[in-house]
Amino acid sequence: DQQVKQNSPSLSVQEGRISILNCDYTNSMFDYFLWYKKYPAEGPTFLISISSIKDKNEDGRFTVFLNKSAKHLSLHIVPSQPGDSAVYFCAAKDSNYQLIWGAGTKLIIKP
Amino acid sequence: KAGVTQTPRYLIKTRGQQVTLSCSPISGHRSVSWYQQTPGQGLQFLFEYFSETQRNKGNFPGRFSGRQFSNSRSEMNVSTLELGDSALYLCASSLQGGYGYTFGSGTRLTVV
Repeated sequence: DQQVKQNSPSLSVQEGRISILNCDYTNSMFDYFLWYKKYPAEGPTFLISISSIKDKNEDGRFTVFLNKSAKHLSLHIVPSQPGDSAVYFCAAKDSNYQLIWGAGTKLIIKP
Repeated sequence: KAGVTQTPRYLIKTRGQQVTLSCSPISGHRSVSWYQQTPGQGLQFLFEYFSETQRNKGNFPGRFSGRQFSNSRSEMNVSTLELGDSALYLCASSLQGGYGYTFGSGTRLTVV
């Protein structure tokens, strides 16, 4: 039973446009959500996070939106740059301090 | 400050052998988690150690085990290796788990 789902295995976006990556979850007890970015042959690196008491968090070109009623969060990247091409993972924290991960979405930024 | 260090970076083993992977967390971090990444499978959680105790465990067979030492360094052991164990094994540390994870670069294990 996948508690965190990233339904798009890949996404292709033109450079300069907005990239929107989506993540759905089933457990309403998750209290913290994170996005990580991963390049090939490297470990994931932390990108941005959001507490369940907020609905938006912004950091430079990256904004995460949380819709608790829909159990949905999204990551917006504006404008998209070639260096943003990577796999993006969504993760949610449960009450046992465990992170539940999505399967990842491969973002390809086209020049 | 030094990041999370995983050794070795690459490893080739034969089916049936066992392997031990090592992870040195960021100084002061007490939580260490291990993940397996295979193509198209995302990050599969193996287990988490906090202050030398296994706090969380994923759905992996008993051939996968781990431990954490008093200095927070952690080891992961896989016994009776199978071809399907070929993967990138990632270690992540944080102060207390759940967020603020920093990942190592991983150990690429190939089983032949």
